[in-house]
Amino acid sequence: EAGVTQSPTHLIKTRGQQATLRCSPISGHTSVYWYQQALGLGLQFLLWYDEGEERNRGNFPPRFSGRQFPNYSSELNVNALELEDSALYLCATPQGRGLSGANVLTFGAGSRLTVL
Amino acid sequence: KNQVEQSPQSLIILEGKNCTLQCNYTVSPFSNLRWYKQDTGRGPVSLTIMTFSENTKSNGRYTATLDADTKQSSLHITASQLSDSASYICVVSAGLTGGGNKLTFGTGTQLKVEL
Repeated sequence: EAGVTQSPTHLIKTRGQQATLRCSPISGHTSVYWYQQALGLGLQFLLWYDEGEERNRGNFPPRFSGRQFPNYSSELNVNALELEDSALYLCATPQGRGLSGANVLTFGAGSRLTVL
Repeated sequence: KNQVEQSPQSLIILEGKNCTLQCNYTVSPFSNLRWYKQDTGRGPVSLTIMTFSENTKSNGRYTATLDADTKQSSLHITASQLSDSASYICVVSAGLTGGGNKLTFGTGTQLKVEL
């Protein structure tokens, strides 16, 4: 089965613009997690979507938003881009439900966003 | 605040040598600990998971240990290969129900294996 796919691979924007990143989970999986990996920092949880609904969000400002489509693919939108938004944005799906599977994540290759 | 600290920040070793990476955590309530390998330009890939009751677990040339009393874990890599060059990330899960939103990630140890 195909893994988690993300697009675009790279994206360059300027301050104040908007960025849209996309993620397709493993076929048949309904949950999508978004993380930000800034240089020198650990992955930071951004958003969690499941069954089309936003289930939880991390400690990020409202200009970070997203949605999940009926086919369970997901979109992350970042509005009013700031220089510190430059990072690798990773999407992941859990390998299963329940404690043993919920945090066993399969990650996509990521989208590298550069804000100039 | 839940935290995961890893050391060293970076490490260079010769091919064929062994190395040990360290992870200290303050995460409550502790559920489990997982080590991921992240190649440059790729997403992290799970290597092994440690639960509260496990002390040692091996996966090929990788051996992870967990000391729940001191809240420390280590990842030992034996007979290193060039393909081991990557960032190794320690990830701790909090709570009883798990979930990707309950994870605390370390900043990783950047390992470079040279000829």
